[in-house]
Amino acid sequence: AQTVTQSQPEMSVQEAETVTLSCTYDTSESDYYLFWYKQPPSRQMILVIRQEAYKQQNATENRFSVNFQKAAKSFSLKISDSQLGDAAMYFCAYLWDAGGTSYGKLTFGQGTILTVHP
Amino acid sequence: EPEVTQTPSHQVTQMGQEVILRCVPISNHLYFYWYRQILGQKVEFLVSFYNNEISEKSEIFDDQFSVERPDGSNFTLKIRSTKLEDSAMYFCASSEAETGGGQETQYFGPGTRLLVL
Repeated sequence: AQTVTQSQPEMSVQEAETVTLSCTYDTSESDYYLFWYKQPPSRQMILVIRQEAYKQQNATENRFSVNFQKAAKSFSLKISDSQLGDAAMYFCAYLWDAGGTSYGKLTFGQGTILTVHP
Repeated sequence: EPEVTQTPSHQVTQMGQEVILRCVPISNHLYFYWYRQILGQKVEFLVSFYNNEISEKSEIFDDQFSVERPDGSNFTLKIRSTKLEDSAMYFCASSEAETGGGQETQYFGPGTRLLVL
């Protein structure tokens, strides 16, 4: 079974600084997708960034980028120029690509609470 | 921008009562999901639904749970006889496809906070 582990229950960063959130996962599959979702206090789940496992290039979305290390099964999220609005719980998630039969089950990590200090 | 919507935002019910949580997925999406998050815990998969059938369900999704797409727009989760431990945030999500080129990305609704007393 696939598992996702976020070993940092809480992280903090100063506004305008950079922070990296860690995520590791365990799978025997070679084709899959990885995601970071943000959950602010409203508890809405908001997609931050996605990465296909077959792509070596790390995904980026504006101030958000990932460091995807497939061999190490590591998928960290870097937030640059942190803003107060980035404060939230961040979840790492895994989706197995079984060539059309994965049924879309996302497996989530435990989450990391990010605090941004002004 | 299209979004997944859910109603109600909050629901309080007595133990043993039936509840129906409603979701309107993004209109061109074909795959629908329910997840739940007990306060302070991780998000857990409940069920996926495609072509009017359950594709996969987790161990949590027992006989007390059912899903339905009663018309072309709504997707519902019914809990027949609620228990205290069903208190959680329930998220609906939808995606265009299962895999491929971003279509597998699941977009979540704002959630329904269910409290069972």
